[in-house]
Amino acid sequence: EVQLVESGGGLVQPGGSLRLSCAASGFTFSSYEMNWVRQAPGKGLEWVSYISSSGSTIFYADSVKGRFTISRDNAKNSMYLQMNSLRAEDTAVYYCARYVGYNVDYWGQGTLVTVSS
Amino acid sequence: QSALTQPRSVSGSPGQSVTISCTGTSNDVGGYNCVSWYQQHPGKAPKLMIYDVSKRPSGVPDRFSGSKSGNTASLTISGLQAEDEADYFCCSYAGSYTFEVFGTGTKVTVL
Repeated sequence: EVQLVESGGGLVQPGGSLRLSCAASGFTFSSYEMNWVRQAPGKGLEWVSYISSSGSTIFYADSVKGRFTISRDNAKNSMYLQMNSLRAEDTAVYYCARYVGYNVDYWGQGTLVTVSS
Repeated sequence: QSALTQPRSVSGSPGQSVTISCTGTSNDVGGYNCVSWYQQHPGKAPKLMIYDVSKRPSGVPDRFSGSKSGNTASLTISGLQAEDEADYFCCSYAGSYTFEVFGTGTKVTVL
């Protein structure tokens, strides 16, 4: 069974940093592209970042470019999102999502990031 | 990149059919056959219902179907059931720069 478990969310002040983690199991993690997708409270979904299976190709949404860094460790079956210079508008549930053929097929349960003073 | 446009809500009685539209541009919906639909119950993670415009993952009832015409994709739920009450989001690939763009979301209510 495919499982994606996010962790690392919490309350952080504006300008602060957080590192999210996604632990994958139930599939060959190193063979799959992955994404981070977020959802602000009561709002729709927003794609945040993409990483290829090897980690060599990375894309970011304009809203986070230069502040967020995606990475993965295939030996640990894990993906990460380093978030710096956080803003109030970054407040959201962040989902780890497996990507197959230009479609997200599995999602984690999400981790809540709240940016507030 | 603007979000894809969906109706805020649709409703139907059990057994009826409802259709949700998802309107984009030639840079996303109209340019690629990479439209997916997700069902999200309150407090839960989204679940893939349709991918590549009209394909159903295993385990998704055939009451759910997808289609596309021009810059608008559609999700139809036939034989509406109580458990179909949820939020539905569309998503389209939008090229290697914008990557993925999601819809604004539609709340389906079963009357």
